[in-house]
Amino acid sequence: NAGVTQTPKFQVLKTGQSMTLQCAQDMNHEYMSWYRQDPGMGLRLIHYSVGAGITDQGEVPNGYNVSRSTTEDFPLRLLSAAPSQTSVYFCASRRTRGLYEQYFGPGTRLTVT
Amino acid sequence: AQTVTQSQPEMSVQEAETVTLSCTYDTSESDYYLFWYKQPPSRQMILVIRQEAYKQQNATENRFSVNFQKAAKSFSLKISDSQLGDAAMYFCAYRSARRNTPLVFGKGTRLSVIA
Repeated sequence: NAGVTQTPKFQVLKTGQSMTLQCAQDMNHEYMSWYRQDPGMGLRLIHYSVGAGITDQGEVPNGYNVSRSTTEDFPLRLLSAAPSQTSVYFCASRRTRGLYEQYFGPGTRLTVT
Repeated sequence: AQTVTQSQPEMSVQEAETVTLSCTYDTSESDYYLFWYKQPPSRQMILVIRQEAYKQQNATENRFSVNFQKAAKSFSLKISDSQLGDAAMYFCAYRSARRNTPLVFGKGTRLSVIA
């Protein structure tokens, strides 16, 4: 049971480049989400999904795109990277309701130059 | 929208002493869940403790306990017998009990443990 996995762990992009951060979970969780963590800002929700084919925006969705074609995978796409997207990105999953723990991936540190 | 406030950006504690981290939240709901997560330098998010709002009894996990004051919307974390391994960022988080609602985080408190 690998839990929540994220790739890559580190990435450097130039302004304007695009890329996809991968996230997968093997716990059959319906709920998955993406957060970004910036110093002094805590974790802010980017997008989330409550099941395959269903996604919704969080607090800071601009510049990011998501899709959910399977229960296991929830990739995050940066369409045209900007320096303001330099951050640490976390993917998370959990059951949809109840006092269940939300499990986090190890994070991706992204730098946009 | 629900908000979570951690008013102490940084705190320090002597090894073996007790420290309390503060957290307040704003919500109009009566049924919800509260969490404390720990983030050590490895960056991994680790669940420390959780509490259901309708349970009066404060949650306890070994050296970690909470003081949940529902009327005051306060959810503080007490760490007893602090250890060097407790040094980390600590995040308070809130989630509505309604289905499919997101976990909302505070900005965190960085805890240092002094030997």
